[in-house]
Amino acid sequence: LAKTTQPISMDSYEGQEVNITCSHNNIATNDYITWYQQFPSQGPRFIIQGYKTKVTNEVASLFIPADRKSSTLSLPRVSLSDTAVYYCLVGDFSGNTGKLIFGQGTTLQVKP
Amino acid sequence: NAGVTQTPKFQVLKTGQSMTLQCAQDMNHNSMYWYRQDPGMGLRLIYYSASEGTTDKGEVPNGYNVSRLNKREFSLRLESAAPSQTSVYFCASSDTLGNEQFFGPGTRLTVL
Repeated sequence: LAKTTQPISMDSYEGQEVNITCSHNNIATNDYITWYQQFPSQGPRFIIQGYKTKVTNEVASLFIPADRKSSTLSLPRVSLSDTAVYYCLVGDFSGNTGKLIFGQGTTLQVKP
Repeated sequence: NAGVTQTPKFQVLKTGQSMTLQCAQDMNHNSMYWYRQDPGMGLRLIYYSASEGTTDKGEVPNGYNVSRLNKREFSLRLESAAPSQTSVYFCASSDTLGNEQFFGPGTRLTVL
């Protein structure tokens, strides 16, 4: 099973771009990379998912290099409300043998 | 749409007691999941159901059983609760396995 490694915590200021990198050296061919956001006392919320290269949606971008052994979640111009825990997941769901591993996540603190 | 609902929100058990956590989704999703989250930790997958009529073990299945009652409902049972099962339990669903998961509000369980 592919495990992930992320920084435990990061600090930023309002209006800055934040990049959170996740390492997943044992990623398998069929694995996708997914990022979730979690606020205290709530369930996680999906941010973005990708397989390779770059994916962008209305809230974030996901950069995946060619070897796929890492990925970077980019949050443009963060605000105080982006203070949360961010999880990188790597999972394979081919043939009903899928597992999803949440790591400890990265606690992002956005300061005014 | 209520999304994913979980009952109860809070529960206190004594060691050895049994209980069932209920989860229902109204998004017509095929796949459902049960996770536990210990304080300061990420989520760990207990069991999942790729589609109605199927269930499979996740990362930490010991001490739990599940039932996919129908397409909407996925229950988690603790037959003989132990203090190590004190945790917050999240249910989630997705249209297909591995896609964006929608999480419920969680059940906070304490086993004394």
